Amino acid sequence: SAVISQKPSRDICQRGTSLTIQCQVDSQVTMMFWYRQQPGQSLTLIATANQGSEATYESGFVIDKFPISRPNLTFSTLTVSNMSPEDSSIYLCSVVSRTQYQAKNIQYFGAGTRLSVL
Amino acid sequence: SQQGEEDPQALSIQEGENATMNCSYKTSINNLQWYRQNSGRGLVHLILIRSNEREKHSGRLRVTLDTSKKSSSLLITASRAADTASYFCATDGIGIQGAQKLVFGQGTRLTINP
Repeated sequence: SAVISQKPSRDICQRGTSLTIQCQVDSQVTMMFWYRQQPGQSLTLIATANQGSEATYESGFVIDKFPISRPNLTFSTLTVSNMSPEDSSIYLCSVVSRTQYQAKNIQYFGAGTRLSVL
Repeated sequence: SQQGEEDPQALSIQEGENATMNCSYKTSINNLQWYRQNSGRGLVHLILIRSNEREKHSGRLRVTLDTSKKSSSLLITASRAADTASYFCATDGIGIQGAQKLVFGQGTRLTINP
């Protein structure tokens, strides 16, 4: 398993500003993910954070809006840029743990960042 | 979309009763997982069942998988107030550039009444 520290846990921001969310893992992991969970909804993958290269974004998400950094194997940041009320969501980071015997895509999640944009 | 569907969307039962949640998905999978989320916090992995397995147990949890129907169920026996949470199924998928990812269902919000 992996222990993930995500901060801030919540924030209230003004429209037009940007917020950077940090995700710190207690061990080196290959794959880190960033998700968005809109109110009352399921999780939607924003991007996969790749160490040493640009993040891989899912359809509907772009780097200008959600720039991601991954400077090493234990840390990543997600920035929500030029925020609007529609960006109010919970943002979650996760990492993949693989078992010894078989690659299993079990993900471990941070506690999430609850963002409200006014 | 490969995203799964879960039913019911919400379930409210009395403490001690069993709770059953269902998940359907659309494409072939390698495995299916169930996660729990308490009050909008991070998700916690509960159990994984492989595509060649039909049933799996973990404590009070029982998961079944029917690949012919592309469906799974999660049974929580002898429910407790602490089981109140949202439950999501997740299937493996392939994202952009072949990156492995999880596709989450819509979730079932379970409320256990004392």
